[in-house]
Amino acid sequence: AQTVTQSQPEMSVQEAETVTLSCTYDTSESDYYLFWYKQPPSRQMILVIRQEAYKQQNATENRFSVNFQKAAKSFSLKISDSQLGDAAMYFCAYRVIQGAQKLVFGQGTRLTINP
Amino acid sequence: DVKVTQSSRYLVKRTGEKVFLECVQDMDHENMFWYRQDPGLGLRLIYFSYDVKMKEKGDIPEGYSVSREKKERFSLILESASTNQTSMYLCASNDPGRRYEQYFGPGTRLTVT
Repeated sequence: AQTVTQSQPEMSVQEAETVTLSCTYDTSESDYYLFWYKQPPSRQMILVIRQEAYKQQNATENRFSVNFQKAAKSFSLKISDSQLGDAAMYFCAYRVIQGAQKLVFGQGTRLTINP
Repeated sequence: DVKVTQSSRYLVKRTGEKVFLECVQDMDHENMFWYRQDPGLGLRLIYFSYDVKMKEKGDIPEGYSVSREKKERFSLILESASTNQTSMYLCASNDPGRRYEQYFGPGTRLTVT
């Protein structure tokens, strides 16, 4: 069975600094998707960034980028120039490409931004 | 914008009650999902549905059932609520033709006393 592990329950960063959230996963599949979702306090979960496993190039979305290491089964999220609005729970998630489209989530990392 | 709505943000029920959590999406999505969110455990899939009247068990279906009579609506049912079902419940939907994103509702925080 696929598993996703986020080993950092909480992280904090100074505003305008850079922070990296860690995620590792376990799968025997070769084709899959990886995602980072953001859940702000009392607000809906939204997709931050996605990565297709067959792509070697790391995905980027504005201040958000990932470091995808397929052999190591590692998928970290880097947030540059942190802003107060980045404060949230961040979830790493995995999904196989074929078959059921369910997501497998990690435990989550609560990110605090210090002004 | 895709909208996924859930019938209640907060709900308090008593042990043994039958509980209905409703989810509605307005984007004609085929797939709908119910997750349970607990601190330190992340989100875990309870049930999902890939078409009207179709359902599949997720990772933690025990104590729950679901109903999907219309494409836009997916209900989670707790037949006899127990205290260990106190949790945050999140509904999501997606279009299988769009490979990436699931759209989430705001969640229902259920407390069973």
